[in-house]
Amino acid sequence: AQRVTQPEKLLSVFKGAPVELKCNYSYSGSPELFWYVQYSRQRLQLLLRHISRESIKGFTADLNKGETSFHLKKPFAQEEDSAMYYCALKRGSNYKLTFGKGTLLTVNP
Amino acid sequence: DGGITQSPKYLFRKEGQNVTLSCEQNLNHDAMYWYRQDPGQGLRLIYYSQIVNDFQKGDIAEGYSVSREKKESFPLTVTSAQKNPTAFYLCASSISSGASNQPQHFGDGTRLSIL
Repeated sequence: AQRVTQPEKLLSVFKGAPVELKCNYSYSGSPELFWYVQYSRQRLQLLLRHISRESIKGFTADLNKGETSFHLKKPFAQEEDSAMYYCALKRGSNYKLTFGKGTLLTVNP
Repeated sequence: DGGITQSPKYLFRKEGQNVTLSCEQNLNHDAMYWYRQDPGQGLRLIYYSQIVNDFQKGDIAEGYSVSREKKESFPLTVTSAQKNPTAFYLCASSISSGASNQPQHFGDGTRLSIL
């Protein structure tokens, strides 16, 4: 069965500190993984996808198939990064996403 | 911004009543989805539709129904059979094509409460 685990419900860091939001998945096929973000009073939106190997707002995420992980990282957190972050796994050839339960990141001044 | 419009923003349901949540998109997307978001639960898929006049059950379809008569519209009905309907409901859409990694675009959501 497909599963996405985000072990931290809450994560609090200080501005300028490195931040890592963890995501582990279980899936028998070839995974496609995404990070979505929901800022306060805004709609859920795509942050980045593993296949693009992109850096968005200073965030990067590397797919590690050996560890079945897709952790989201940023070397220097900013207060505007405070938001709810969801890791999501696309299941096979259809369009369904399995979401993790989310991590609420708070960046303190 | 536009793209996906959900209405109403807040909705109240009486016991035994069916209510319908609206979702409209002008992105020309083929695929549309309904999720339920509960605190500490993340998003769970209720129904999805890859093309007009076709839809599939998601992980928690019991007590819900949908229709897809037009490409732009994917309304969700919460029936009286759904015993715990209080939640935040999110609609999404995406390009339906052979290309992978197409993201889903989300609406602002509808918060449903029981009177």
